[in-house]
Amino acid sequence: DAGVIQSPRHEVTEMGQEVTLRCKPISGHDYLFWYRQTMMRGLELLIYFNNNVPIDDSGMPEDRFSAKMPNASFSTLKIQPSEPRDSAVYFCASSLLGGAEAFFGQGTRLTVV
Amino acid sequence: GQSLEQPSEVTAVEGAIVQINCTYQTSGFYGLSWYQQHDGGAPTFLSYNALDGLEETGRFSSFLSRSDSYGYLLLQELQMKDSASYFCAVFTYNQGGKLIFGQGTELSVKP
Repeated sequence: DAGVIQSPRHEVTEMGQEVTLRCKPISGHDYLFWYRQTMMRGLELLIYFNNNVPIDDSGMPEDRFSAKMPNASFSTLKIQPSEPRDSAVYFCASSLLGGAEAFFGQGTRLTVV
Repeated sequence: GQSLEQPSEVTAVEGAIVQINCTYQTSGFYGLSWYQQHDGGAPTFLSYNALDGLEETGRFSSFLSRSDSYGYLLLQELQMKDSASYFCAVFTYNQGGKLIFGQGTELSVKP
């Protein structure tokens, strides 16, 4: 398996624009997590899914953030409208049976100017 | 809620042993995981402790004391390539399993 695949790797956008981050989890994994990493706040859990169903979105910072998982092999995290304070590295991770070993994608470095 | 505390940075020399401590407060605790992250890279799994005691994996060992809400990662025979950030993460289960990460410890290994 190629591991967790995220796209794009880098995204630079202007404030106010819509941003969509994409993730393909490892085949067969039933849990998918979205994390955000910044120097100030570390690795924050934004939302996670089990079998494509959102379980806990309490980490989503504002209504500007939304996430979907239409099927077992694809998830998106959308920010609309984007703001400079959203600049961060966004990681997607997947795990099997919700275990403690999560496999992370390479991340999307988002810069909002 | 959950909280984890670990030192922000540690420095050691090649060949030495270093211990990175982690204390936590959480509900629904199942276990403690450790992850390594190199600059510009993704976090990668190192170890997981669900029960009290020491787990050894090569040069790395991890320890958990559930009664003390405390764990540590022990790195032996340090190598330059071990320079990275190390995160402890509590694994909790409530409507599904999730990992909550500490702020990370930046380890610098000097020659």
